[in-house]
Amino acid sequence: DQQVKQNSPSLSVQEGRISILNCDYTNSMFDYFLWYKKYPAEGPTFLISISSIKDKNEDGRFTVFLNKSAKHLSLHIVPSQPGDSAVYFCAASSGTLNQGAQKLVFGQGTRLTINP
Amino acid sequence: DTEVTQTPKHLVMGMTNKKSLKCEQHMGHRAMYWYKQKAKKPPELMFVYSYEKLSINESVPSRFSPECPNSSLLNLHLHALQPEDSALYLCASSFRQGRDYEQYFGPGTRLTVT
Repeated sequence: DQQVKQNSPSLSVQEGRISILNCDYTNSMFDYFLWYKKYPAEGPTFLISISSIKDKNEDGRFTVFLNKSAKHLSLHIVPSQPGDSAVYFCAASSGTLNQGAQKLVFGQGTRLTINP
Repeated sequence: DTEVTQTPKHLVMGMTNKKSLKCEQHMGHRAMYWYKQKAKKPPELMFVYSYEKLSINESVPSRFSPECPNSSLLNLHLHALQPEDSALYLCASSFRQGRDYEQYFGPGTRLTVT
C-alpha cells in the first residue's frame, strides 16, 4: 500500500521555464511534508517543507503548495536551471514519534531533466 | 552547518565478514536514522534512534545491528550479509528542541556483498 505517490517517473523541462512536480498521499494523518533532491550516488538533500496548517511555503526559486482536501502537494521550481536536474522525492510524516523523531514515508521519485 | 558524515564511502564485503558503517553529526540533533536505498527506489527506513535509545526497528534482519554510542554517533554493524543486502546505506539526523524536524542525510555508504 503506497501511501505517498509520485505518478510521474520523469519530467523534462526547458531551462528558464517552470518545473512542477506532483505528489499525492492517501493517509489523512500526514501533517508534515518535505521535498528532497537526490543526485546519483549521493544522499538526498532537503529542499523545502510544509506543515499541514499552511497551504504554501516559498524559499527562493522553490515553492511548495499543499491542497489538503485533494491530498495533493506540488513543488514549483522557477526558473528551472540545468543544476536542478536530479531525482526529486516527496516525503510525508504523521506527527513526531516519542522525543521528536519522525518516520518519513517517501514517494517513488520523479527524475527531472532540465534541457538547455 | 547541516552536515552528516558517513564512512566509508564504499565497502565490499564477503558473506562471512563483519564490518561496521559509521555516521556522525554535530548539529545537536537528538534523532538519528538508518535507511537502505536500492537503485531507482526511495529510501527505506531501517532504524530510528531518539535520545540515544532505539525507537523504531522496521523488522530488519538481525544481521544488521545498530548502535548509538552517544548523541553524535550512529553505527551499523554488519555480519553474515547476503548479496541482496547490497545497496546504498544512508544515515540521517533531525530534531533540535522546537526546530529542525526535517531530516538531513549523509552521502551514504555504497555496500556490495559478494
